[in-house]
Amino acid sequence: GQNIDQPTEMTATEGAIVQINCTYQTSGFNGLFWYQQHAGEAPTFLSYNVLDGLEEKGRFSSFLSRSKGYSYLLLKELQMKDSASYLCAVTSGAGSYQLTFGKGTKLSVIP
Amino acid sequence: GAVVSQHPSWVICKSGTSVKIECRSLDFQATTMFWYRQFPKQSLMLMATSNEGSKATYEQGVEKDKFLINHASLTLSTLTVTSAHPEDSSFYICSASRDRRSYEQYFGPGTRLTVT
Repeated sequence: GQNIDQPTEMTATEGAIVQINCTYQTSGFNGLFWYQQHAGEAPTFLSYNVLDGLEEKGRFSSFLSRSKGYSYLLLKELQMKDSASYLCAVTSGAGSYQLTFGKGTKLSVIP
Repeated sequence: GAVVSQHPSWVICKSGTSVKIECRSLDFQATTMFWYRQFPKQSLMLMATSNEGSKATYEQGVEKDKFLINHASLTLSTLTVTSAHPEDSSFYICSASRDRRSYEQYFGPGTRLTVT
């Protein structure tokens, strides 16, 4: 089976740095994704990690440790528009990349 | 590039009727399309995976006779909710990938279904 855990809610201050953690237990692993989802909208792709280490993309970075079943998303220089839900998703099947999503972390950025 | 559209963006229907939702890849050919459902404050739950020209693969607990999926072309997949009930009210999102080996999925904007 698949089990993906992430905190339900987080609050951070504008301009600060926030780290959103995700732990997973899956049968098989083909990569981990982070998506951003604003309320009432579809998710938008942020990052994809398949090897251990840190991937940096502008203000967003994502880290993966396969041996620990652990990932985090790091958001720097937070802006008000970063207030959204952040979804951790794992692919585990061969062939088509079916995604199993965590419940998401609702991030609130405050002035 | 890689734009996916859904139609309608929202729909209200009466209990017992059927509703069809379209998912289109506008600027690429989508070998594989996925259908998700998201209830309020919940995460996305995969309902089914469809490959062009073949029958959809449904996730456990999803009734294939109730949620009819057709992936007739490389740019269009449809989800029909048959005999809708209020508990089917949800946010339905499709995504598409360019080929079976592509890891990236492009999500549509979603369809809000309300069954009264």
